[in-house]
Amino acid sequence: DSGVTQTPKHLITATGQRVTLRCSPRSGDLSVYWYQQSLDQGLQFLIQYYNGEERAKGNILERFSAQQFPDLHSELNLSSLELGDSALYFCASSSGLADTDTQYFGPGTRLTVL
Amino acid sequence: GEDVEQSLFLSVREGDSSVINCTYTDSSSTYLYWYKQEPGAGLQLLTYIFSNMDMKQDQRLTVLLNKKDKHLSLRIADTQTGDSAIYFCAVPLESGGSYIPTFGRGTSLIVHP
Repeated sequence: DSGVTQTPKHLITATGQRVTLRCSPRSGDLSVYWYQQSLDQGLQFLIQYYNGEERAKGNILERFSAQQFPDLHSELNLSSLELGDSALYFCASSSGLADTDTQYFGPGTRLTVL
Repeated sequence: GEDVEQSLFLSVREGDSSVINCTYTDSSSTYLYWYKQEPGAGLQLLTYIFSNMDMKQDQRLTVLLNKKDKHLSLRIADTQTGDSAIYFCAVPLESGGSYIPTFGRGTSLIVHP
């Protein structure tokens, strides 16, 4: 158990819908990362937050957005969903921003868009 | 090419050694990482190596780093069926003051009895 929790574990929805994925980092960790894992793209970095502020952006679509709240939990919002958004979405947390701050991953949310 | 590259599959017999290779384009990071993902689970940190080391041993795991060639490898001795999983190397790349681990596509290790 990494200490990072994600809800829900599974999500099935239809094209055009909007969903929210939730992540609680390990106790004491200030940094949260979101990744998308699909068979054809591998593990793609989406976005990073540190202590409530966006710090780095990766291959995140404009239809997707995220935020980190004062209690440090984070939400990833996916809207106007398409079939191709079906994937595993992982959250990871680390204590800070340094390259020596190891990331710990949550169990993931499996999103299926029908 | 990709920033971090790994071969996609490796098949070994139980009891043999497995060697999973990774090449990367550049990294100024202090650490480089190996993660393991079992079916239906998240990524679990397996081990890491300081960038100023060329070898690290941790029980059945040996990590080798060749900084000149930008090549990282993970050797698993006496591979067991329970080692069947996807193995990712992760190289932190600097981005606007943060270090973002960049992952290879993962190597699926299949262990035959």
